[in-house]
Amino acid sequence: AQSVTQLGSHVSVSEGALVLLRCNYSSSVPPYLFWYVQYPNQGLQLLLKYTSAATLVKGINGFEAEFKKSETSFHLTKPSAHMSDAAEYFCAVSLLNQGGKLIFGQGTELSVKP
Amino acid sequence: DTAVSQTPKYLVTQMGNDKSIKCEQNLGHDTMYWYKQDSKKFLKIMFSYNNKELIINETVPNRFSPKSPDKAHLNLHINSLELGDSAVYFCASSLQLSGGEQYFGPGTRLTVT
Repeated sequence: AQSVTQLGSHVSVSEGALVLLRCNYSSSVPPYLFWYVQYPNQGLQLLLKYTSAATLVKGINGFEAEFKKSETSFHLTKPSAHMSDAAEYFCAVSLLNQGGKLIFGQGTELSVKP
Repeated sequence: DTAVSQTPKYLVTQMGNDKSIKCEQNLGHDTMYWYKQDSKKFLKIMFSYNNKELIINETVPNRFSPKSPDKAHLNLHINSLELGDSAVYFCASSLQLSGGEQYFGPGTRLTVT
């Protein structure tokens, strides 16, 4: 069965520093991969998605992620953190013929220090 | 215009009551979903519907009954509410059944006392 693991439930960076949020998945077939962001008391907003095109995916707000099949990883990065990036980040996987469901990782809370 | 909307945003009720949460999307999508986010922020699929047809029922208790009167609406009715039902419930929609991104509503925070 497919699963998603996000390493680190809390990540803290200084403003202007590199953001790296880790995501590993397990799947027997090529997956679709997503990163979502959730700000306090709000719904989830799509940051970016991988759907078997380019392995380096650029998203909104300066985020990007690289799909590495050999490592079964889809880590999220941003070169320079901004205070407004503080939020909960979720990695998710979806497979064909699975009813469209997203399987989420446990989430990583990103804190940005001034 | 809100793409995916849910009502109510907050719902506080007592154990044993029956309540409903409504969801509407104006994106023209064919597929809609309900997810549950627990107190540890873990998100789990509950149901998916495609063209008003139930596709996924992810081992959800029978007390939860989704209803899709048309493609733009997916409501969630919960009977005999229990303390463990307290959570945030998110509705989502997608253009297609597989592989497409899902657009989420703002969530309904259900508190059962």
